Amino acid sequence: KNEVEQSPQNLTAQEGEFITINCSYSVGISALHWLQQHPGGGIVSLFMLSSGKKKHGRLIATINIQEKHSSLHITASHPRDSAVYICAVRSLGGSQGNLIFGKGTKLSVKP
Amino acid sequence: DGGITQSPKYLFRKEGQNVTLSCEQNLNHDAMYWYRQDPGQGLRLIYYSQIVNDFQKGDIAEGYSVSREKKESFPLTVTSAQKNPTAFYLCASSIDIHVDTQYFGPGTRLTVL
Repeated sequence: KNEVEQSPQNLTAQEGEFITINCSYSVGISALHWLQQHPGGGIVSLFMLSSGKKKHGRLIATINIQEKHSSLHITASHPRDSAVYICAVRSLGGSQGNLIFGKGTKLSVKP
Repeated sequence: DGGITQSPKYLFRKEGQNVTLSCEQNLNHDAMYWYRQDPGQGLRLIYYSQIVNDFQKGDIAEGYSVSREKKESFPLTVTSAQKNPTAFYLCASSIDIHVDTQYFGPGTRLTVL
């Protein structure tokens, strides 16, 4: 079983829809990251969370440490949000430099 | 503009040849990382470097080598010992090893024929 699981694997939405991507993990963590990978391959860091909730524009990330679960929400989705969204965690017992990555959720927003 | 550059974007090599992937950053970051991405899998750490002249193996270091002679540069060599070298390779950096937020390069897609 992977230590970081994301759902769904693939998601298709219509422009304007509210989108939720989920991430569950099985290890104790010091931080959780949400990353965005564009079709060309480049990766951008969206959020780093250790508790609670963060918001940036139309993106909202939440984390529940007790339940070992995080969600990434996109409000008023737009075709330019189409990308692969990746969850990654730094485990408490992990060696320095070692993030554990989920397999990603591929989002396609149709106009 | 500060950032990370990787070159080339696409690279083709014959089986049995060593190949070196370039990674340069002008962010003045101490820590640098190499990841491998395969279809349907999460990123996996190959090597990382906390500081110049230092580097550590990641989860899948076999068949790879790195050097860190300059702060700005962290080249990755894919050797002939790597059994399945065809993949997408991503370089990243962070201010230091204790800071989680990593900045990624655009990646190099290596195809071994």
